[in-house]
Amino acid sequence: GAVVSQHPSRVICKSGTSVKIECRSLDFQATTMFWYRQFPKKSLMLMATSNEGSKATYEQGVEKDKFLINHASLTLSTLTVTSAHPEDSSFYICSAPSSGLSYEQYFGPGTRLTVT
Amino acid sequence: GQSLEQPSEVTAVEGAIVQINCTYQTSGFYGLSWYQQHDGGAPTFLSYNALDGLEETGRFSSFLSRSDSYGYLLLQELQMKDSASYFCAVRDLGGKLIFGQGTELSVKP
Repeated sequence: GAVVSQHPSRVICKSGTSVKIECRSLDFQATTMFWYRQFPKKSLMLMATSNEGSKATYEQGVEKDKFLINHASLTLSTLTVTSAHPEDSSFYICSAPSSGLSYEQYFGPGTRLTVT
Repeated sequence: GQSLEQPSEVTAVEGAIVQINCTYQTSGFYGLSWYQQHDGGAPTFLSYNALDGLEETGRFSSFLSRSDSYGYLLLQELQMKDSASYFCAVRDLGGKLIFGQGTELSVKP
């Protein structure tokens, strides 16, 4: 099946710094990718839709200046958490619809962000 | 807005059958999906229903009734490895998935 990778898998940073998370579709092209945030024992909360070659679409309540999304190519989307604070600590997961069967989404392994 | 409801946790024994229900309220509906997520891992796709009825994939089946805004995931011949969180998710026209709160399934020996 299709594979989506994320890097890094785990990151610890200090308050006030920025962190970039990469999401790659390894064996298929993804014009659209999605970014989610998940708290322990909680659901996946959709943050934004990343669109190749255009601006991302953010869900209500998500600060676009804080969570910068760039979809520079058909296989790469990045999420940058700017001026991170401890409350940004979370599990961030990206996904991409499969190319053939669009109802199925492939998820990356997630990135555990801890802000100290 | 969109909301999905599913039980927070279910416990069953190995070999048993368990059903996880999901009700939804959405402004647009293009299918109900089910995903499995083990602790610390990525969600993996299990099943999808766009039309009413039952879809069977091995030990897992999923059902949808659009008139009732209701679906369920049926897991048969439970195994210890099935212990995980199960999420229903509604797909909209743009392909976005809105997830339910998740059901934590514990399978006991």
